[in-house]
Amino acid sequence: QVTLKESGPALVKPTQTLTLTCTFSGFSLSTTGMRVSWIRQPPGKALEWLARIDWDDDKFYSTSLKTRLTISKDTSKNQVVLTMTNVDPVDTATYYCARNLYGDLLAYWGQGILVTVSS
Amino acid sequence: DIQMTQSPSSLSTSLGDRVTITCQASQDISNYLNWYQQKPGKAPRLLIYDASKLEAAVPLRFSGRGSGTDFTFTISSLQPEDIATYFCQQYDNLPPTFGGGTKVEIK
Repeated sequence: QVTLKESGPALVKPTQTLTLTCTFSGFSLSTTGMRVSWIRQPPGKALEWLARIDWDDDKFYSTSLKTRLTISKDTSKNQVVLTMTNVDPVDTATYYCARNLYGDLLAYWGQGILVTVSS
Repeated sequence: DIQMTQSPSSLSTSLGDRVTITCQASQDISNYLNWYQQKPGKAPRLLIYDASKLEAAVPLRFSGRGSGTDFTFTISSLQPEDIATYFCQQYDNLPPTFGGGTKVEIK
């Protein structure tokens, strides 16, 4: 059974760096073809894809956010970490991690974590 | 980035009615189009992938069709548990992009 769970701070101050961790089970990110993505959703708004890391450590980022994002993995801990620098109130959102079935078909999702950016 | 234009943004209809949502891509995406259902406070759930393939355990009243730039998602007979927001998503090109969503409500 594939499960994913996001963890991190619920509240961060503007200009700080946000670090989110996705802890998963039921698969290994060292298996060929496995990919984990991060997606966010501001309250009442649409989904926005942020980043992806693949089994071979390839990394891909949102066009508009790539200068602020870093994605990494710890295969031994079954974790994927996303950092976002210089956060702003507009980054307030529920952040989800998801595992791809193939390509960028997002078949398994975590429950999400609401992160509020406020002073 | 490929832009996904989804319509309508919301709709109000009766139980048992047929519901149709459209999604248009800003360029040809072949059939690399998925549909997700999201209920309030919950993560999205994959319903349809590759434009028309039903994910396991998804009821047969859900369907999708289309290719290229124009896609439709249909609920043949709306049930109370279908009240949700639906999103399309393309994955032909990186980055994957989502439509703005369609909120389905009961009249």
